[in-house]
Amino acid sequence: EVQLVESGGGLVKPGGSLRLSCAASGFTFSSYTMNWVRQAPGKGLEWVSCISSSSNYIYNADSVKGRFTISRDNAKNSLNLQMNSLRAEDTAVYYCVRAYNGVYFDIWGQGTMVTVSS
Amino acid sequence: EIVLTQSPGTLSLSPGERATLSCRASQSVSSGYLAWYQQKPGQAPRLLINGASSRATGIPDRFSGSGSGTDFTLTISRLEPEDFAVYYCQQYGGSPPITFGQGTRLEIK
Repeated sequence: EVQLVESGGGLVKPGGSLRLSCAASGFTFSSYTMNWVRQAPGKGLEWVSCISSSSNYIYNADSVKGRFTISRDNAKNSLNLQMNSLRAEDTAVYYCVRAYNGVYFDIWGQGTMVTVSS
Repeated sequence: EIVLTQSPGTLSLSPGERATLSCRASQSVSSGYLAWYQQKPGQAPRLLINGASSRATGIPDRFSGSGSGTDFTLTISRLEPEDFAVYYCQQYGGSPPITFGQGTRLEIK
């Protein structure tokens, strides 16, 4: 079964750091561009970051540039998101997402909640 | 950055009716790079349509997508009870940022 499972969410104070992880299974992880997409409570979807299959290309949304770092370990079938200098507006469910043909989001994890609050 | 505007914000219909959802882009989007997603409460989004008009694997044929340039449409021919959800369009214009519309909530009338 094709599956993405996120972990690492939780409550963190403003200015703090958190590292999210995503474990992939059921497909050839190293062949796919991977993304993080977030959704603030009661709001819409916001693309956060993507990384190409061999980590050659990395892109980030302006809202997280300089604060979030995406990375992957193809040997371990894992995707990570290091989040620093967290702000209240980063509070959201964070989804790990596979990109089909590098373009469409065809496989989503169940999401992990990040809450930034004092 | 390409901005996607979805309309209406909320659509109230009854099962068996036809639903038409609109997604308008601030600049032209290649049809190959327009997708639609469905999201139900407490669940992750699900890919419905890619390439503006191609149904994803396992998506019923009552869902169809159309459009080109800046105007795209998702049509649900006959609403089933399980179709009431929030729908998002998404574009990838060749380079990031990838953007989503703000969503259309399809609710039971």
